[in-house]
Amino acid sequence: DIQMTQSPASLSASLEEIVTITCQASQDIGNWLAWYQQKPGKSPQLLIYGATSLADGVPSRFSGSRSGTQYSLKISRLQVEDIGIYYCQQASSAPFTFGSGTKLEIK
Amino acid sequence: EVQLVESGGGLVQPGASLKLSCVASGFTFSDYWMSWVRQTPGKTMEWIGDIKYDGSYTNYAPSLKNRFTISRDNAKSTLYLQMSNVRSEDTATYYCTKDYPGPLDYWGQGVMVTVSS
Repeated sequence: DIQMTQSPASLSASLEEIVTITCQASQDIGNWLAWYQQKPGKSPQLLIYGATSLADGVPSRFSGSRSGTQYSLKISRLQVEDIGIYYCQQASSAPFTFGSGTKLEIK
Repeated sequence: EVQLVESGGGLVQPGASLKLSCVASGFTFSDYWMSWVRQTPGKTMEWIGDIKYDGSYTNYAPSLKNRFTISRDNAKSTLYLQMSNVRSEDTATYYCTKDYPGPLDYWGQGVMVTVSS
């Protein structure tokens, strides 16, 4: 199975701050990487797919990038509505494993 | 509007069986792979498996494939998850998801399953 190592586990940041979350894949997954946001009490929602493509309706302050087998999600200007848990998931080969999640809070 | 509505969860005893359902609407169900994902109370997300649009092929997480079975009825736009010999570690919220394919672009509201005696 492909392992996805996500960091940090939790993050507290100020409004308007830049936030970065990373996922390291245990092997090459190409661009088969998705990011999800789960707001408190809600189901997860797709944010980024193909490592860098923004899903429909997602604000442009969210962006994804890739460097080899390391993937990053960046929030350029943190807003109150961005609090929640963020997960990465590899969609390269089954089982399509998730990262352990990053809980994002406002400082 | 895409909607995925899960049902069938609840409190179940260890060793029992349970079948979850997910009724889909707002898209052509028979055109898409579908998946089940679960989230533990500690918020760990686990991919359970998926099923091809025509039901002819399934993938499973290796740790679950001997106890969980995914099926679908395209005439009813319904996805199923049959769980057998459930254990306490199966306690989780179970989500039905639509595959983009690859990423999961729509999720249901989730259904809770609690395994306890």
